[in-house]
Amino acid sequence: DAGITQSPRYKITETGRQVTLMCHQTWSHSYMFWYRQDLGHGLRLIYYSAAADITDKGEVPDGYVVSRSKTENFPLTLESATRSQTSVYFCASSESTTIEGYTFGSGTRLTVV
Amino acid sequence: QKEVEQDPGPLSVPEGAIVSLNCTYSNSAFQYFMWYRQYSRKGPELLMYTYSSGNKEDGRFTAQVDKSSKYISLFIRDSQPSDSATYLCAMTATSGSARQLTFGSGTQLTVLP
Repeated sequence: DAGITQSPRYKITETGRQVTLMCHQTWSHSYMFWYRQDLGHGLRLIYYSAAADITDKGEVPDGYVVSRSKTENFPLTLESATRSQTSVYFCASSESTTIEGYTFGSGTRLTVV
Repeated sequence: QKEVEQDPGPLSVPEGAIVSLNCTYSNSAFQYFMWYRQYSRKGPELLMYTYSSGNKEDGRFTAQVDKSSKYISLFIRDSQPSDSATYLCAMTATSGSARQLTFGSGTQLTVLP
């Protein structure tokens, strides 16, 4: 199916563990983004990528690592999960010419215990 | 101080009411102003957007931007129970694919039948 998919939808992990959230898009959009959503903060940008092998930090990058070896995939890794990283994570991709071409996935709800 | 401020609500109205949702912002560089609707356990979906100042109408929804006051609004006429969702304002300085969105914290709206 065309679109942007995130996996898993729900994840519970323990403090200190490494966890990877996956994001896959089928449009061949150049730009991809990771946001986290927390009560009272709205969505905040963690990292974004302009193309394969090009990534850059957003507003809240500490504790996260990203990679983009293929255009369609943009995984987000929490190297050593902390309770403060409990959140809902959204991936988005962007088409170049229109505001409407900015589309979000359905999110991954991560709980760190 | 956050760049974008949005009253989190919650806001509860009877069916058929006119709803007014608002955001204020501090960054004069913002040129594109968006409203996203987010249903529970889903990703945000673009509802409508406005470039610079002015009004834009789409069915029961009207978006207003007053750049002089750094204030944007979304009006929903004849509100329906299906409008119950969280509404997020978002802003960006550019329309290009590199655009990073700055979000308000979201207003939770419930329309009672």
